[in-house]
Amino acid sequence: DAKTTQPNSMESNEEEPVHLPCNHSTISGTDYIHWYRQLPSQGPEYVIHGLTSNVNNRMASLAIAEDRKSSTLILHRATLRDAAVYYCILLPHWSGGSNYKLTFGKGTLLTVNP
Amino acid sequence: EPEVTQTPSHQVTQMGQEVILRCVPISNHLYFYWYRQILGQKVEFLVSFYNNEISEKSEIFDDQFSVERPDGSNFTLKIRSTKLEDSAMYFCASSESSRANYGYTFGSGTRLTVV
Repeated sequence: DAKTTQPNSMESNEEEPVHLPCNHSTISGTDYIHWYRQLPSQGPEYVIHGLTSNVNNRMASLAIAEDRKSSTLILHRATLRDAAVYYCILLPHWSGGSNYKLTFGKGTLLTVNP
Repeated sequence: EPEVTQTPSHQVTQMGQEVILRCVPISNHLYFYWYRQILGQKVEFLVSFYNNEISEKSEIFDDQFSVERPDGSNFTLKIRSTKLEDSAMYFCASSESSRANYGYTFGSGTRLTVV
């Protein structure tokens, strides 16, 4: 599986934008970039995914570098509820007919200060 | 918004006892998963399930573990003879597709404590 590298932790202030980076220099041409987060004492939660183009949804934006070797999850206005561990995960477009599985790393622990 | 529901939220069991963790996936999802997270560690894949069969299982998912979809709505994980090291959060998840352009939906988990 292609590997991702994320900072162990980041800090932000409430109502400010947050940019969470992820490096994936060994990404293959058909790997999707997924982001999940895990709030304290909760299960992981899907945030966003993309392949080549930048993506926006109600939770966040995903900016993907032109060479796809890195990506950035953008929370436009952080709230206290956004304090969580954020995981960047690569998934092959096609898993050969099997269900694809998520391989979680340690992620980035985001602290949001009031 | 549709949810994956897990019960119980917390289960305490004695070593050697059998436990069944229950999950109700999202109704139109066809692909089901169990993951676990030992306290302070990463979330780990256990098993994936589709069309009433196991699609893939990890090394953790040994003969002590089994999964079942006993009816059209429930998806269960059974541990036959629990060990202390089975203490963890167990998360059920479901997805609409097996392709990577779909996300998973996870439940809130069952905290299993083996004493």
